[in-house]
Amino acid sequence: DAKTTQPPSMDCAEGRAANLPCNHSTISGNEYVYWYRQIHSQGPQYIIHGLKNNETNEMASLIITEDRKSSTLILPHATLRDTAVYYCIVRVAGYSGAGSYQLTFGKGTKLSVIP
Amino acid sequence: DTGVSQNPRHKITKRGQNVTFRCDPISEHNRLYWYRQTLGQGPEFLTYFQNEAQLEKSRLLSDRFSAERPKGSFSTLEIQRTEQGDSAMYLCASSRSGGMNTEAFFGQGTRLTVV
Repeated sequence: DAKTTQPPSMDCAEGRAANLPCNHSTISGNEYVYWYRQIHSQGPQYIIHGLKNNETNEMASLIITEDRKSSTLILPHATLRDTAVYYCIVRVAGYSGAGSYQLTFGKGTKLSVIP
Repeated sequence: DTGVSQNPRHKITKRGQNVTFRCDPISEHNRLYWYRQTLGQGPEFLTYFQNEAQLEKSRLLSDRFSAERPKGSFSTLEIQRTEQGDSAMYLCASSRSGGMNTEAFFGQGTRLTVV
């Protein structure tokens, strides 16, 4: 079972920031938060991951709460090409036993960017 | 293009036939994963290789499914005696081992339709 909870869908106006929330209240100390997105009929695309510090790259920013029980993916200036299903996943970065290399996807959040 | 490559992109087969899919990972990645995705669901883990060794298999991987990675480079996924329930997108991903940058990168998938 997925260890994360995400809203099923969200809308965002083109050019505005898209803030996608994720709850992971049972996250373990050695688990990272990963974000992937999947544009229709394509394979999932890696976006960003983090442990406890906020992270930023060319695609997005990841804000993780101090207690690490939730996080927010921020797309600073959403475009129509950002319309996709966004998946929040918790996973250990190294090996810690059977199943630890798997990415367990839930149903994600379908983000629709509106012109 | 140095990403994960999957062939074919689409496959239509009659029930009862065997099919084989190929995945070429990113060249320096020694881990390779297979996932399956049905309509409206997130990808589900099937199996994982480190180099040529198949280290984990999901319960979803029935006896009709077999995956190989004979030289630790490309991998094949074969489905014998296909059933209509096998219709899905089959995704391959690869990643490095060790260090912090172990995120998985996905291919575009092979869409299988069993008629």
